[in-house]
Formats: sequence, C-alpha cells, structure tokens
Amino acid sequence: DTGVSQDPRHKITKRGQNVTFRCDPISEHNRLYWYRQTLGQGPEFLTYFQNEAQLEKSRLLSDRFSAERPKGSFSTLEIQRTEQGDSAMYLCASRYTENTEAFFGQGTRLTVV
Amino acid sequence: GDSVTQMEGPVTLSEEAFLTINCTYTATGYPSLFWYVQYPGEGLQLLLKATKADDKGSNKGFEATYRKETTSFHLEKGSVQVSDSAVYFCALSDQETSGSRLTFGEGTQLTVNP
Repeated sequence: DTGVSQDPRHKITKRGQNVTFRCDPISEHNRLYWYRQTLGQGPEFLTYFQNEAQLEKSRLLSDRFSAERPKGSFSTLEIQRTEQGDSAMYLCASRYTENTEAFFGQGTRLTVV
Repeated sequence: GDSVTQMEGPVTLSEEAFLTINCTYTATGYPSLFWYVQYPGEGLQLLLKATKADDKGSNKGFEATYRKETTSFHLEKGSVQVSDSAVYFCALSDQETSGSRLTFGEGTQLTVNP
C-alpha cells in the first residue's frame, strides 16, 4: 500500500487551456474526495465519490470543472478553459468508510499563466 | 453551515516552549474533530482526532480536548521541537453532511527556532 498518489505534482498551463489531474486512492477505499487549497488557506471541499458515483459537488465546482471515477478506482479532475483564479493546490483524499481516517495525497500544484 | 476558525498565525517559538493553537468550530450536528499537519512539500497528515465531547486526542506529544460547551478543540504541546515546524489545520467532519467531508480552518504556520 503506497498511499494516495496524485499525478502530476506540478502543472503550469496557459490561460484557456484544459488540464486533467489524476488521483489513485488507497486500494479498497471506496470514498474519494477532491479539495482545493489556495495559498495561506485551508483546503476547501470540491467533490466526493462513493465508489463510481459522484454524490456531492460544491458550488465551488463551476461548469468548467468535471470529475470522474470510472469503475470506482482512480479519479480524474478536469478543468476546461483554465483561468488564473484556478491556480491552486488540488488535493485528493480517500477513506474506507466515513468513520475512518482520510488519507491525503501530496497534491497537484496548478499554475495558470 | 459548518465552519472552523483558527488563531491567526504565524506562530514563532523557541525550542522547548509551550505551544497552544486555538480552534473553535460551528456545526449543525455532532462533529468529529481533527488536527492535521502539513510539513513542507508533503501532503496533509492526520495528527490526532476526537469523536465526541470530552474526548482527548493525543499523538507525538500533542494533545487536544473536544470541548462541546465552548465549541473548541485547542492544540497543545508542552515542549516543541524544531521538527514540529509545519502548518497545522483544525478540521471537522459532520456525519450530517453527505460523505462526512472535512471542513478545514485556515491553518496556522508554526516555526520553531533552535
């Protein structure tokens, strides 16, 4: 068990481009969460999956954002037509049940120039 | 909605000093409370947790007690070390919300000088 892994660790993109991030949760963890963290702030909830079903989306998740978790394994977060305000650290976390510890990946740092 | 408020930082201490980082919360249900730590270049790690009122979470010399009457979960350590330098986040998880997502405070940067 290697923990939660995220790829890439860093991404620099030009405004208007699309980007996709990947999260591989701990195996057998059926709950997967995406958070966004801006400089000097705590992580903010974006969306949540139970197995392959996306059960909740924050109002922070505009129409330009989409997340998937095919087959209930890895997850992807795509941002279309990136804006400078999308620059942040995107964190993924997984847990076995809602009462167990959530484990976080190291995050993907996105810079939109 | 749920919210967490932490004391403003950054906090700078000398080695072996006493540490307190204040945390208060607002929740509609009966939340579980957590402290997470983020070392430079690393992901968030769970430091300690408490799941009901009057529970005390402890780990690596850090302690925090779930105080329902004051809606607080202050983090303390009797003698900090240089290796404790990191950002500390207070968080809550409320089973009344879908998926028991975590709601975080803004974080407190701790620097411990030798």
